[in-house]
Amino acid sequence: DTAVSQTPKYLVTQMGNDKSIKCEQNLGHDTMYWYKQDSKKFLKIMFSYNNKELIINETVPNRFSPKSPDKAHLNLHINSLELGDSAVYFCASSRTLGNQPQHFGDGTRLSIL
Amino acid sequence: GENVEQHPSTLSVQEGDSAVIKCTYSDSASNYFPWYKQELGKGPQLIIDIRSNVGEKKDQRIAVTLNKTAKHFSLHITETQPEDSAVYFCAAPSYNNNDMRFGAGTRLTVKP
Repeated sequence: DTAVSQTPKYLVTQMGNDKSIKCEQNLGHDTMYWYKQDSKKFLKIMFSYNNKELIINETVPNRFSPKSPDKAHLNLHINSLELGDSAVYFCASSRTLGNQPQHFGDGTRLSIL
Repeated sequence: GENVEQHPSTLSVQEGDSAVIKCTYSDSASNYFPWYKQELGKGPQLIIDIRSNVGEKKDQRIAVTLNKTAKHFSLHITETQPEDSAVYFCAAPSYNNNDMRFGAGTRLTVKP
């Protein structure tokens, strides 16, 4: 069984569109994250959610909004997509907030035309 | 905030040789240091981690060493195999321990 699953795996869309990426974890973890990985493989934290509360919000444009309907899900909504949003987006989870191993999904490759 | 620097950015070794990747961190209060392996088309997967109360941890062919005084930790892979080829990331807690900051990654290539 996949521990952290995200859909879709690939997303190709045009500039200006609005899109969503879904993430689900079946590990019973309290904390979930979204990361952005650029073409140089650099992993940057975007958001984390602990018990449905937003804990951190890095310098991410407000076009990006995380939504957590319950502890097992953290979806990422992106409005007015821009060329610079092209990247691989990873969802992850950990048992609790803080110094814990993180379990990653396999990523969503977003390409903006 | 926490700065994590990782070296080298690329590393090529012959099968059977050892590989060492080093990371330095800035916050002396950091106490948890994981290493992740990312294969092509996959997400990073935890391979080993160490907490600050120990100086070394081993798991078969991989080991992690921690030098708290110098604020650096290293990943050691012995008897490398082609399937060890991947991108490896180190990480350390952010200043408020709410998330992890990742190094820039090391692309390891093991030549058969």
